[in-house]
Amino acid sequence: AQTVTQSQPEMSVQEAETVTLSCTYDTSENNYYLFWYKQPPSRQMILVIRQEAYKQQNATENRFSVNFQKAAKSFSLKISDSQLGDTAMYFCAFRSSNDYKLSFGAGTTVTVRA
Amino acid sequence: KAGVTQTPRYLIKTRGQQVTLSCSPISGHRSVSWYQQTPGQGLQFLFEYFSETQRNKGNFPGRFSGRQFSNSRSEMNVSTLELGDSALYLCASSLDRGRPSSLDGYTFGSGTRLTVV
Repeated sequence: AQTVTQSQPEMSVQEAETVTLSCTYDTSENNYYLFWYKQPPSRQMILVIRQEAYKQQNATENRFSVNFQKAAKSFSLKISDSQLGDTAMYFCAFRSSNDYKLSFGAGTTVTVRA
Repeated sequence: KAGVTQTPRYLIKTRGQQVTLSCSPISGHRSVSWYQQTPGQGLQFLFEYFSETQRNKGNFPGRFSGRQFSNSRSEMNVSTLELGDSALYLCASSLDRGRPSSLDGYTFGSGTRLTVV
């Protein structure tokens, strides 16, 4: 079974600053998919960004970008120009290329301060 | 277009009772997955359905079951409720092109908060 580890339970950042969330995973597979989801107090999980393991180029979605290090099995999320609306819990998730389920990390609570 | 709709939003049940939760996926999405979220265990996969067939099942007791209808709507049922079943139950739908080797994202609903007393 794949294990996803998020070692930072909580992070706090000043508005307009940058914050980086860490995520490591354990797998013996060569191809897989990685995701970052955001869960605000409204409870709905929102897809932030996704990455295919066989793609070297790091994914970027507006202010969100990832640093994917396949050899190190690391998939960190950088939030640039943080906004108050970014306050939420962030989950890193892994999906195998031959499976349909997501394996989630424990989550990191991000608080953006005004 | 409408998102993933889960009903009800909140539910309070007594130990020993059974409960049925409903999930309507995004139109055109054929895969529906269910997850349990608790403070202690985090997000755990329950099961996944595609074309009315269960394709994958997590490590949960047989009290947890589900099904999918021909219109892709899904229900999950928990029988003989225990206090530990109190959780947020999330449903996610995916377009699913019929193979897992695609970067189809999952769209989640807002969940059903189940409290067992």
